[in-house]
Formats: sequence, structure tokens, C-alpha cells
Amino acid sequence: AQRVTQPEKLLSVFKGAPVELKCNYSYSGSPELFWYVQYSRQRLQLLLRHISRESIKGFTADLNKGETSFHLKKPFAQEEDSAMYYCALSGKAAGNKLTFGGGTRVLVKP
Amino acid sequence: KAGVTQTPRYLIKTRGQQVTLSCSPISGHRSVSWYQQTPGQGLQFLFEYFSETQRNKGNFPGRFSGRQFSNSRSEMNVSTLELGDSALYLCASRTGGGSGANVLTFGAGSRLTVL
Repeated sequence: AQRVTQPEKLLSVFKGAPVELKCNYSYSGSPELFWYVQYSRQRLQLLLRHISRESIKGFTADLNKGETSFHLKKPFAQEEDSAMYYCALSGKAAGNKLTFGGGTRVLVKP
Repeated sequence: KAGVTQTPRYLIKTRGQQVTLSCSPISGHRSVSWYQQTPGQGLQFLFEYFSETQRNKGNFPGRFSGRQFSNSRSEMNVSTLELGDSALYLCASRTGGGSGANVLTFGAGSRLTVL
């Protein structure tokens, strides 16, 4: 069974400080990993996916197959980064169903 | 291009009643997934439909059901409502094939309150 774990429910950082959101997964095979974000009063939306290997809004995430992790990082947090972040996994073994982690709420303080 | 549209946005029901929620996916998207979002449980997968067939199913009781029409619009139904069914129900669509096949686009959700 595929599973996604986000160990931190809440991360509170000061503006300008680095932020790292942890995501660990369990999956037999080659997964596709995503980070979704939900800003206050907005829809859940895609932030980035490991296949694209992009930096979106200053965020990056590297897939580490050895540690089965896909941590999200940003070197200098901004107040507008305050949101709920979800790590998600999709894999052919489970019919490409997307499984989400429990989410991490990020609060960036001024 | 219109986004994913969910109706109704808010509704209040009482225990024992049933409810039907509707979702219109992005044009061209053949897959529609439903999720239940609650503060305690996060995002829980309900089911996914692709070309009118249920492709995946989560671990919810049989009171939760869904269907998809030939125009890809989808409905989900919850019968015999319980207090614990109070949640935001999110619909998401994706192409289901080709580049970006697994990227979900979410609707705004239908917030159900069961009294």
C-alpha cells in the first residue's frame, strides 16, 4: 500500500529564515511525487512535481529514493508562504491514485 | 478555460438525510476524483472515475457512492448522513493520459454540515 507521511503538523518560522517541510513515502516502485499548497480562502493547487525539477516561488524539492523522501525547501521564507502544504504520491501500482499526506501548516511570522 | 466547478458550495443537512454533490471538470479532463477534507483527517480519497467507470476507491463505507456521466461531469452521493460526514468535499479533475496526466486541478469544494 502507498502511504505519505508528513511528520510536522505545524511549522512556525520567521520571515527570511529557511523552511523545510518533511515528506516521507512508502511505495513499491517508481512513484510520482507532488507538493500541493492551499492558501487561505483559496483552492488547493499544485506547487511543484518532482518530474519537472523546477523551482516554484523559491521552493524546491528533491526526490531521494534511498531515503524515500521528498522534502520541500525554501531558503528565505516570506509571509505570503503561510499556507497548508500537502505532499502527494501517485503510482501505477495503485492505478495512479493520488494519496496525500496529512499536511503541514506553515506560519511565517514577520 | 473554466476551472473545476462544484455545486452546491454550502449545504446543511440533518442526520439520516442524503445528499448529492456535483462536479464539472475542466473541459477535456476525463478523470474526476473526490476527496473528503476535515481538520482531523486531512485529505481522504473517496473514489475516482474515468470515462464513466470507477477506477479507484478509497476506504469509505458504502453510504458514499458516485458516478460519472458521458460528458465527464460527476456526482457523489452520501446516504443516511451521520454527524461525522460534516466536511469539505473536494472534487479534482485530471486528463488521465499524456503529459501531466497525474496533475490534479481542484474545485473550491462543497462544505457539508450535518446537524
